[in-house]
Amino acid sequence: AQSVTQPDIHITVSEGASLELRCNYSYGATPYLFWYVQSPGQGLQLLLKYFSGDTLVQGIKGFEAEFKRSQSSFNLRKPSVHWSDAAEYFCAVGTFTSGTYKYIFGTGTRLKVLA
Amino acid sequence: DSGVTQTPKHLITATGQRVTLRCSPRSGDLSVYWYQQSLDQGLQFLIQYYNGEERAKGNILERFSAQQFPDLHSELNLSSLELGDSALYFCASSVSDYNEQFFGPGTRLTVL
Repeated sequence: AQSVTQPDIHITVSEGASLELRCNYSYGATPYLFWYVQSPGQGLQLLLKYFSGDTLVQGIKGFEAEFKRSQSSFNLRKPSVHWSDAAEYFCAVGTFTSGTYKYIFGTGTRLKVLA
Repeated sequence: DSGVTQTPKHLITATGQRVTLRCSPRSGDLSVYWYQQSLDQGLQFLIQYYNGEERAKGNILERFSAQQFPDLHSELNLSSLELGDSALYFCASSVSDYNEQFFGPGTRLTVL
């Protein structure tokens, strides 16, 4: 069955440091891939998405993600974290099974930023 | 602002009661999704409607039901409420299955 794994439940980084949030999926083909961010008390907002083409995807707020087929991964990165990036980050995949499209969210990674 | 609206913002009710949550999708979006988010279970997909028809079902309890109306707004009905139903309920919409979802601000349900 398809699945999405975000191995890190919590991550703490210092402001200005680089960030990488991991996302791995299990699916027989290349899924559609998404990263969302959820600030406290708010709904989820799309950061970036990958459907096909260039495996390095640029998103909003200075985020980027790289699709690595060989590792079934779609890790989110930011070169320099700002305090306002503290939030929960969700990876999601869209897959086709028996003609039905399924959209699966990971369990999320909560990011804490130290001043 | 995602363009998705949800009402009410907060809802406090008692066990055994029934409530209705409402969602208006972004203009032009035909798909509506409902999610439940709680501390212990994370973000759980409940159900999806596409242009008025049920499209996909997730972990939705039998006590819960939803529908999408001809004007594309959707309602999630929760009945025989239990303490464990306390959660944030999100609605999201998208143009089609394959596109990103735009989330509303959520309805916080508290069951006392």
